[in-house]
Amino acid sequence: GEDVEQSLFLSVREGDSSVINCTYTDSSSTYLYWYKQEPGAGLQLLTYIFSNMDMKQDQRLTVLLNKKDKHLSLRIADTQTGDSAIYFCAVNHGSSNTGKLIFGQGTTLQVKP
Amino acid sequence: DAGVTQSPTHLIKTRGQHVTLRCSPISGHKSVSWYQQVLGQGPQFIFQYYEKEERGRGNFPDRFSARQFPNYSSELNVNALLLGDSALYLCASSPTYEQFFGPGTRLTVL
Repeated sequence: GEDVEQSLFLSVREGDSSVINCTYTDSSSTYLYWYKQEPGAGLQLLTYIFSNMDMKQDQRLTVLLNKKDKHLSLRIADTQTGDSAIYFCAVNHGSSNTGKLIFGQGTTLQVKP
Repeated sequence: DAGVTQSPTHLIKTRGQHVTLRCSPISGHKSVSWYQQVLGQGPQFIFQYYEKEERGRGNFPDRFSARQFPNYSSELNVNALLLGDSALYLCASSPTYEQFFGPGTRLTVL
């Protein structure tokens, strides 16, 4: 079945770059997303990439997609303490015509001052 | 523009009861999806509605049902609540491929 895997925890120093990785199994996924969730809150859409792209940059965020290896990464440049949160990778369920997103279990990013 | 709104924010029920959760999408968005997020996990897809029609259903029992109204708002209903239904229930609205989430309803089943 479809699956999305992420590492559970990442700790960085303020000002460093953070790289959060994700792998997925559904090769027919066409849209891939990164969401941020702060404690007690809903999900904030950070950025997304189409499967026909290999990179997308949006201010401090860079998304890289390796479609051959089904690997997605999110790089946050100049990481700030306000970036501390849980980051979810999600892909659309490519073989259906629904809006179903399949999420990873989330990566907790801890930013140390 | 107002984002996705959900009500109530918190809810406490006992086993066997029924619950109704509500969602108002972003103005102009015709699609609403529901997700369940158990503590420590990623959200799991429950339903998607588009133009009042069910477009997709996740792997949830028939105790879960939903509907979408002419103004595109939506309700999620859960019957015969179990302890395992305790979770954050998230609603997302979508213009096309992007999904924008609301703050969620925290349901606790005792």
